[in-house]
Amino acid sequence: AQKITQTQPGMFVQEKEAVTLDCTYDTSDPSYGLFWYKQPSSGEMIFLIYQGSYDQQNATEGRYSLNFQKARKSANLVISASQLGDSAMYFCAMREGRSNTGKLIFGQGTTLQVKP
Amino acid sequence: DAGVIQSPRHEVTEMGQEVTLRCKPISGHNSLFWYRQTMMRGLELLIYFNNNVPIDDSGMPEDRFSAKMPNASFSTLKIQPSEPRDSAVYFCASTQDRGLFGNQPQHFGDGTRLSIL
Repeated sequence: AQKITQTQPGMFVQEKEAVTLDCTYDTSDPSYGLFWYKQPSSGEMIFLIYQGSYDQQNATEGRYSLNFQKARKSANLVISASQLGDSAMYFCAMREGRSNTGKLIFGQGTTLQVKP
Repeated sequence: DAGVIQSPRHEVTEMGQEVTLRCKPISGHNSLFWYRQTMMRGLELLIYFNNNVPIDDSGMPEDRFSAKMPNASFSTLKIQPSEPRDSAVYFCASTQDRGLFGNQPQHFGDGTRLSIL
């Protein structure tokens, strides 16, 4: 069974608007962490934001924020004021607490295109 | 600080040849991961090490693939013999695991783009 599901293979957004990229996860571990990565066309994987399962508040990093809904097991990435440079593939990933090696489980990714 | 360093950045070789990909993790990191990325299969975890010991190699496609981590600052992924279907981008990533509540992300190298003709 898929542990990380990203249901949107591709998304479009107008420059300067906000966009939400969906991510749902499945785990029975009460302790886990959720990560988002960006992969631009140049290929590198860039860490964006982290949310811990016990964190009381949604994580924010600049224009990135995480809409964490624990009961629904969703951790959607919100990008505000989209820029052309945000065009990339975005991956959601989960680290289960029982893992003591830092292993991440990745989703299939969502390709975001920002239109001028 | 230096990030994860992979070499070579690009490799083009003929089918049947041995290919060796190299990775230097970030100093102080105790876990190292090898991934393969293709359009068809996405990002796949091949193998990972913790404190230089292989933990899970269930993602290694077949016996033609092998990986070693002789010390904390170096790892190799070897394909012998190589086949055209091995063409992909191979990433190495490292992290400093800090136990149950670890929030450390994996840091990725720039990848090796491998083409087998």
